[in-house]
Amino acid sequence: GEDVEQSLFLSVREGDSSVINCTYTDSSSTYLYWYKQEPGAGLQLLTYIFSNMDMKQDQRLTVLLNKKDKHLSLRIADTQTGDSAIYFCAEKGSYIPTFGRGTSLIVHP
Amino acid sequence: DAMVIQNPRYQVTQFGKPVTLSCSQTLNHNVMYWYQQKSSQAPKLLFHYYDKDFNNEADTPDNFQSRRPNTSFCFLDIRSPGLGDAAMYLCATSRDYLTSGRAGNEQFFGPGTRLTVL
Repeated sequence: GEDVEQSLFLSVREGDSSVINCTYTDSSSTYLYWYKQEPGAGLQLLTYIFSNMDMKQDQRLTVLLNKKDKHLSLRIADTQTGDSAIYFCAEKGSYIPTFGRGTSLIVHP
Repeated sequence: DAMVIQNPRYQVTQFGKPVTLSCSQTLNHNVMYWYQQKSSQAPKLLFHYYDKDFNNEADTPDNFQSRRPNTSFCFLDIRSPGLGDAAMYLCATSRDYLTSGRAGNEQFFGPGTRLTVL
């Protein structure tokens, strides 16, 4: 199986919360990342969490890490149409991140 | 603003016709990466440089080559593109390898070059 797994699609209504989930396999991961990719653009680092943390909040973004289950989630509060993009989870066990396949977030009115 | 620039943004080539993609950076970062990204797939690392030290991923086809003539520029050469090489190619940089645990060693990505092979 893949090292980092994500579901491919998530559809939410504008104003609702979005939760994007990710599982990873490398227990030695020190940092876990969330990247955002808008259409026609490269990946942009949204936020990251160190493996000794279980939660990190940054404005509308909340990252939760369950190290025991190797599960990472990204919650976006008050989702807006501008949040529509592909969100990539990545883990760093060695010196270069391993990316998931990305979750396409579709925000509809 | 400091950034990672990729040219061209869109490249069309013919089957078997060599093509070169370009990446430049104004961040003065030591590490430069090339990724191949196909639809609904994770970005796949092709190779990376630490300064002039070249590192090839084991499963990168020989058809793909790279050059880094100086700190700022890195090129991806596809010697004989096949239909399966059509993809988005992403260049990224980081100040150092992401080993020290310093989150400041994050990767910065360019906008990508969309390659079409006819």
